[in-house]
Amino acid sequence: DTEVTQTPKHLVMGMTNKKSLKCEQHMGHRAMYWYKQKAKKPPELMFVYSYEKLSINESVPSRFSPECPNSSLLNLHLHALQPEDSALYLCASSQGDRTPYEQYFGPGTRLTVT
Amino acid sequence: SQKIEQNSEALNIQEGKTATLTCNYTNYSPAYLQWYRQDPGRGPVFLLLIRENEKEKRKERLKVTFDTTLKQSLFHITASQPADSATYLCALDLNAGNNRKLIWGLGTSLGVNP
Repeated sequence: DTEVTQTPKHLVMGMTNKKSLKCEQHMGHRAMYWYKQKAKKPPELMFVYSYEKLSINESVPSRFSPECPNSSLLNLHLHALQPEDSALYLCASSQGDRTPYEQYFGPGTRLTVT
Repeated sequence: SQKIEQNSEALNIQEGKTATLTCNYTNYSPAYLQWYRQDPGRGPVFLLLIRENEKEKRKERLKVTFDTTLKQSLFHITASQPADSATYLCALDLNAGNNRKLIWGLGTSLGVNP
């Protein structure tokens, strides 16, 4: 199974809501990533988890809160978002993050903040 | 300043021809470089990884070159097909302390006309 799954596919939320994005992989990968992607732009790294520990936070605002409950799951908790946070949120995984491995991406969650 | 540049314009070619996409970078020293394909509304899909000591890498109809002197990678698709139409992203694979991360180019939109 070389699939990364993400739920939900689409999410519309108000600026006062709290919601969560979920990501799952069963490839035994030990590194997992959250990216944000705006239209016609490349993916923008937000967070990296390595062996279930947060290893990179790219100065992301605290209204985005990542969580890695176990080696297969990655969550992104959202609270008090702004309209400019509307984007495609991509989860990815790789075998590890100490040597170069390809990243496997999920289909993304299309988030709209109203 | 640090920059990654890909073909600034969309590339349109006739079916059967070879597509050549460029990735130039400045003020980086990546030991590895990766290429991904992205279709609209979907996550990127890994295509090829090339190391700095590899001049060329091939996979089926795909070929990648990596010239660390010119700071350039070229991505070729031979015998192109309409199904090859997508955005192609290059990514520099960099060490970030004890971790690695990808730095992405803006991507080149390729259209293959039947």
